Amino acid sequence: QQQVKQSPQSLIVQKGGISIINCAYENTAFDYFPWYQQFPGKGPALLIAIRPDVSEKKEGRFTISFNKSAKQFSLHIMDSQPGDSATYFCAASKGGYGGATNKLIFGTGTLLAVQP
Amino acid sequence: DADVTQTPRNRITKTGKRIMLECSQTKGHDRMYWYRQDPGLGLRLIYYSFDVKDINKGEISDGYSVSRQAQAKFSLSLESAIPNQTALYFCATSLGGKEEKLFFGSGTQLSVL
Repeated sequence: QQQVKQSPQSLIVQKGGISIINCAYENTAFDYFPWYQQFPGKGPALLIAIRPDVSEKKEGRFTISFNKSAKQFSLHIMDSQPGDSATYFCAASKGGYGGATNKLIFGTGTLLAVQP
Repeated sequence: DADVTQTPRNRITKTGKRIMLECSQTKGHDRMYWYRQDPGLGLRLIYYSFDVKDINKGEISDGYSVSRQAQAKFSLSLESAIPNQTALYFCATSLGGKEEKLFFGSGTQLSVL
């Protein structure tokens, strides 16, 4: 059962444009929503994460927007650069502030290509 | 730099063979995980261990077993490999407690013919 649905599967953006990746979840008990970035030949690495007590979190050019009522969250990459070309995974888990990494449910991934 | 190291990086084996994938870490983390990545399916948890004496099944443990030999070592075994176990396998660690960040190795690409 897919509890975190991610779209689109792939995305092509021009340099300087905005990349937007969306995720939707089903379990209202989820309380931690990270995004992982994976470059070819490497393992995923945590990019940014949000908890449902805020609607937006920004770190540099990367922003998570969170809509609790719609059970959706999205990653926005402003001023996209060729170096941002990677696969992006959203994820969700429940477990309280103490963490629940063993319960992370990952989305299916989005392959982003930023063209020069 | 503290790291998560997986060996081998690539492995080709035949149906029915036993194979072991190894993971070692120098991060000093207690928690270790094995994930499988398949195109279109994302990352799925196979097994996890919160300390040397703790082993837990994840979402897709059938056909796999693990061993936590030490705090720094966590190996994944396929007792009798089958073609649908062809995938990219990742080991990961985390600090536990309030830290929820997973640190992944670079992966092992396994092909079962």
